[in-house]
Amino acid sequence: QKEVEQDPGPLSVPEGAIVSLNCTYSNSAFQYFMWYRQYSRKGPELLMYTYSSGNKEDGRFTAQVDKSSKYISLFIRDSQPSDSATYLCAWGYYGNNRLAFGKGNQVVVIP
Amino acid sequence: GAGVSQSPSNKVTEKGKDVELRCDPISGHTALYWYRQSLGQGLEFLIYFQGNSAPDKSGLPSDRFSAERTGGSVSTLTIQRTQQEDSAVYLCASSSPRGLAGVNNEQFFGPGTRLTVL
Repeated sequence: QKEVEQDPGPLSVPEGAIVSLNCTYSNSAFQYFMWYRQYSRKGPELLMYTYSSGNKEDGRFTAQVDKSSKYISLFIRDSQPSDSATYLCAWGYYGNNRLAFGKGNQVVVIP
Repeated sequence: GAGVSQSPSNKVTEKGKDVELRCDPISGHTALYWYRQSLGQGLEFLIYFQGNSAPDKSGLPSDRFSAERTGGSVSTLTIQRTQQEDSAVYLCASSSPRGLAGVNNEQFFGPGTRLTVL
């Protein structure tokens, strides 16, 4: 079983809609959780990170973690065409600099 | 204030040839990572350098792949006798020990090198 599972299917939404992305993981040692955003032909950039179960908000973005279910989500409210990108979930744990990445979700926000 | 840079941005080569990909990390970043990103496959970890420690090579897919980091800064990823399945985007990232609070691996990525093996 892969450490991180993320359905890579592209997602198209109209501008203003809520985007919901999900990842599951199998390694209970993971202690912190990240979402990276990758624009076409660019490297990924860190969007959000969190350590604990619950929600973390940053503007239009909310990261949700459920450690008991080994499940994390990213919500984008009032989506904009500039949000069109690939979103990758990632996990890590203290004492180890390696991150495990999901396959990424391509999101297209249609004006 | 430069970020991570990689060269070349694109590389087209013939099967069987050797290629070298270069990464210049952010100044002061002690950790350097190489990943491979194939279509629909996400980021595949290849190798990790941390300071003067022995590199973590556990992600290298075969002995045709090698990497070195000179002077704790610039890194070169070498692929010998390239195969068509090596075609991918090769991403380099670096991180600082003074990164996110309590988390020393916010990884900053370069734009990648797109390798095409014909």
